[in-house]
Amino acid sequence: AQTVTQSQPEMSVQEAETVTLSCTYDTSENNYYLFWYKQPPSRQMILVIRQEAYKQQNATENRFSVNFQKAAKSFSLKISDSQLGDTAMYFCAFIAYGGSQGNLIFGKGTKLSVKP
Amino acid sequence: KAGVTQTPRYLIKTRGQQVTLSCSPISGHRSVSWYQQTPGQGLQFLFEYFSETQRNKGNFPGRFSGRQFSNSRSEMNVSTLELGDSALYLCASSLASISQETQYFGPGTRLLVL
Repeated sequence: AQTVTQSQPEMSVQEAETVTLSCTYDTSENNYYLFWYKQPPSRQMILVIRQEAYKQQNATENRFSVNFQKAAKSFSLKISDSQLGDTAMYFCAFIAYGGSQGNLIFGKGTKLSVKP
Repeated sequence: KAGVTQTPRYLIKTRGQQVTLSCSPISGHRSVSWYQQTPGQGLQFLFEYFSETQRNKGNFPGRFSGRQFSNSRSEMNVSTLELGDSALYLCASSLASISQETQYFGPGTRLLVL
């Protein structure tokens, strides 16, 4: 079975500082995508960043970047220059592709608070 | 381009009743997926529809069902509601395959079962 684990239920960071959220996953699949989604208090789930497993280069989106370690099955999210608007639940998610259709599997989430 | 919309946003029902939730995907998106979000279980996949056909299903009882119309709009139905069905129900759409396309989420429908 495929699982996604986020070991940090809650984290806090000072505004303008850098924070890293952890995510590990377990799968026997070779072809898959990994995602970080953000869910602010307003509840709209927003895609933060996406990583294709076949790409060695880590994905980046402005202040957001990932550290993808395929052998270790680790996919952490780094937020640089944290802003108050980054306060949200962050979910790591995984989906396999190829062969039978997969579905998006989420971790339990990390609640991030950015403090002024 | 308008985002994913869900109606209603909030709903209160009593045990034993049934409920229908609606989701309109982003224009051009043909895949619609449904998720249940609860504090205890987190986000769990319910099912995915593509071209009016259920393509994938999560581990939920048969009381949970869905359908998709020719315009890609989707409805989810829960019959014989139980207290444990209280949750935020999220709908997500993607261009085609949820395996290879990013999903975009709607704001959700919060269901409270009394």
